[in-house]
Amino acid sequence: QSVLTQPASVSGSVGQSITISCIGTSSDVGTYNLVSWFQQHPGTAPKLIIFEGSERPSGVSPRFSGSKSGNTASLTISNLQADDDGDYYCSSYAGSSTWVFGGGTKLTVL
Amino acid sequence: QVQLVQSGADMKKPGSSVKVSCKATGGHFDTYSIHWVRQAPGQGLEWMARIIPVIDAADYAQKILGRVTLTADKSTSTAYMELRSLTYDDTAIYYCARGKNFDFWGRGTLVTVSS
Repeated sequence: QSVLTQPASVSGSVGQSITISCIGTSSDVGTYNLVSWFQQHPGTAPKLIIFEGSERPSGVSPRFSGSKSGNTASLTISNLQADDDGDYYCSSYAGSSTWVFGGGTKLTVL
Repeated sequence: QVQLVQSGADMKKPGSSVKVSCKATGGHFDTYSIHWVRQAPGQGLEWMARIIPVIDAADYAQKILGRVTLTADKSTSTAYMELRSLTYDDTAIYYCARGKNFDFWGRGTLVTVSS
């Protein structure tokens, strides 16, 4: 299975908005509405922040939103806060009962 | 509150095997699948495999097919991941996560392969 393509790093100032892209193929992101996004702080397990492309789990801030267009999924974080600093990963169902993750994006909040 | 409690850190020699456990509490074990995801030091997440306990069916990533086996004990709500023929590249934190959306994660189990 191939890895989904994410930018290695993004940055933004407190209060600004940023978007992280997740580029897949017609075999994964483009076909299935099972894209999830995870936030990971150093030394901790990943935390689900978006599932099924654009749904937020209970308790996740509405500042996090997800979308998809063709083979590309996107995570937007609005009104950046210092605590948003960390690593972000996308994942997608890839068919045949397999899943694939993106390489991860390091978000730096300035 | 759903929790996935994983076994403790382990150190293994190259060529040996490791078995990591993941006990689910606070939810219906049979209702969800359990995924295994690993993260090598300083690297990203890698999907390894998935088991559906209610039907004892497992699926594996092509990269590790043949070296990994998932099992589940429904009586104790515990899933297991056994990885064989360990190499230094298998040094990683191994996570279990619940369901097709990976909505709950264990804290991870560090497996170190060292001679």
